Amino acid sequence: DADVTQTPRNRITKTGKRIMLECSQTKGHDRMYWYRQDPGLGLRLIYYSFDVKDINKGEISDGYSVSRQAQAKFSLSLESAIPNQTALYFCATSDPGLAGGETQYFGPGTRLLVL
Amino acid sequence: QKEVEQNSGPLSVPEGAIASLNCTYSDRGSQSFFWYRQYSGKSPELIMSIYSNGDKEDGRFTAQLNKASQYVSLLIRDSQPSDSATYLCAVRVGQAGTALIFGKGTTLSVSS
Repeated sequence: DADVTQTPRNRITKTGKRIMLECSQTKGHDRMYWYRQDPGLGLRLIYYSFDVKDINKGEISDGYSVSRQAQAKFSLSLESAIPNQTALYFCATSDPGLAGGETQYFGPGTRLLVL
Repeated sequence: QKEVEQNSGPLSVPEGAIASLNCTYSDRGSQSFFWYRQYSGKSPELIMSIYSNGDKEDGRFTAQLNKASQYVSLLIRDSQPSDSATYLCAVRVGQAGTALIFGKGTTLSVSS
């Protein structure tokens, strides 16, 4: 089984709808991240969480919210989706205590299309 | 604004050649440096990490770091068509407890 899973893998929604993207991990890592990837823009950090009680905004948090329900679960919500939120979304985890430091392990991604 | 810059490419090399990928970063406080490989439609996966000035080798891959010049590179020896992918440079500024900043990636194409 994959260590970092994301659901759904693909989603089409309409402008104004609220949607949630979910991320689960079995790696036992405390740190979790949400990124979006757009062609030509690379990976941009939306939110990150270093433990269940810690939530931090990233570079592009406007229009998004997150919830860290447990160590293993980190959800990203689009309160009112808009077309420019069409992108590939990745969840990632890391554990600074491991040798190699802040290696991030990525989920398979969620491809979101907002019409 | 902390920035990580990479040439977008595509960088085209013939099979068996050395591919050289470059990355510069703006913040002198950067502590850790990573190279990720991303195949089209897939998630990024870590290839190399480097923390100290100099070279670090792992198989066909060598990462080079020069903090004075704020420059990190990845060399791929004996390039194979399977190396064709986008390579992302990532930098962590400060101690553990800060997130990574990614460059936009360089697309490498290895022709057989």
